[in-house]
Amino acid sequence: SAVISQKPSRDICQRGTSLTIQCQVDSQVTMMFWYRQQPGQSLTLIATANQGSEATYESGFVIDKFPISRPNLTFSTLTVSNMSPEDSSIYLCSVVMGDYQETQYFGPGTRLLVL
Amino acid sequence: GQNIDQPTEMTATEGAIVQINCTYQTSGFNGLFWYQQHAGEAPTFLSYNVLDGLEEKGRFSSFLSRSKGYSYLLLKELQMKDSASYLCAVMDSNYQLIWGAGTKLIIKP
Repeated sequence: SAVISQKPSRDICQRGTSLTIQCQVDSQVTMMFWYRQQPGQSLTLIATANQGSEATYESGFVIDKFPISRPNLTFSTLTVSNMSPEDSSIYLCSVVMGDYQETQYFGPGTRLLVL
Repeated sequence: GQNIDQPTEMTATEGAIVQINCTYQTSGFNGLFWYQQHAGEAPTFLSYNVLDGLEEKGRFSSFLSRSKGYSYLLLKELQMKDSASYLCAVMDSNYQLIWGAGTKLIIKP
């Protein structure tokens, strides 16, 4: 598995502002994912971020709201733009590893509260 | 559509055995995963099944039947620290993970 870190671990933000979440991995990985998990619910995939290409967004998520950067094979950022209280959630990055690139490992998450 | 079903909540006693079931209907199949998630923490990988049968890893075992679209996670010698949510996820033909809603396991002394 990989060591994955996220910054910040938590934040409280005002509506209308933006927050950029960083995800750092201790080894080079091709595929990184960004998820959202709202209280008491399962994981929802926001987008897939592969180095050297534009992120692929899932239905219901758009680049203007959740711009993603993937400048190299160990780092990615997710920005939550023009935040509203509905964006309050845990945001998780994950990477794919394993013999057949099949298993996802998660970062510790960023707990976001929007007031 | 794609669907993963697992019970919302289960309760078991410390020292006992519990089986958490997961049934799935997906577009293709490239493996089934179980994750453990403690409250307020990120999911941690428990097991991966791609072939039929039982995979044992210490106190935890995971079973898969592809023909039945069915898996279970078996936890033995339950400890209080096993209180967590257990997430079942299936990788479909596009190598996307389809997530279940999770089973909250409550362990009582």
